[in-house]
Amino acid sequence: DGGITQSPKYLFRKEGQNVTLSCEQNLNHDAMYWYRQDPGQGLRLIYYSQIVNDFQKGDIAEGYSVSREKKESFPLTVTSAQKNPTAFYLCASSMEADGLTEQYFGPGTRLTVT
Amino acid sequence: KNQVEQSPQSLIILEGKNCTLQCNYTVSPFSNLRWYKQDTGRGPVSLTIMTFSENTKSNGRYTATLDADTKQSSLHITASQLSDSASYICVVRDSGTYKYIFGTGTRLKVLA
Repeated sequence: DGGITQSPKYLFRKEGQNVTLSCEQNLNHDAMYWYRQDPGQGLRLIYYSQIVNDFQKGDIAEGYSVSREKKESFPLTVTSAQKNPTAFYLCASSMEADGLTEQYFGPGTRLTVT
Repeated sequence: KNQVEQSPQSLIILEGKNCTLQCNYTVSPFSNLRWYKQDTGRGPVSLTIMTFSENTKSNGRYTATLDADTKQSSLHITASQLSDSASYICVVRDSGTYKYIFGTGTRLKVLA
């Protein structure tokens, strides 16, 4: 899992509640990413950030929000607007966002919304 | 549409045997191709990264091949071990959009 931590490992919420997933890295990486993993599907990009105070929407950003106030931290908020939030969420980081450097993944957070 | 397709979807082999996993992609323009190993409930861990000019790359008992002309890659596992039981994910980087395109993975089960 490299130097990326995600917490908590399991998270349970009631429908209609916002929830924030934590992602911290001590690798001094500029780029950070949030992915969602569902059974039978490849990882899908939610948001990514190439540098502090900057982030861009991925392929499935609706119902999610992020912030990048510190280089080490890239929290993801799953809002009540996300229609199907139950999934396995993975955070990743890389030295740069150029796609040539290694991408390291965290251990993941499994979110269940009932 | 940029796609990455992996086969087989799942595979069961006996400990000590070899196996080969396949990855076909339509991503263009191509930047690089990666193979990851993902244990159940964990994050993916990188096995290899291959650029356009590389045909073969090894990492211990894992050997990846790439044919950029036919847009095919394979991951060969030699002398499998119980700890090889995991999902193996092929990822292709689109050099035009800078996006990673993920395959759905091959789930490998190694039996004693």
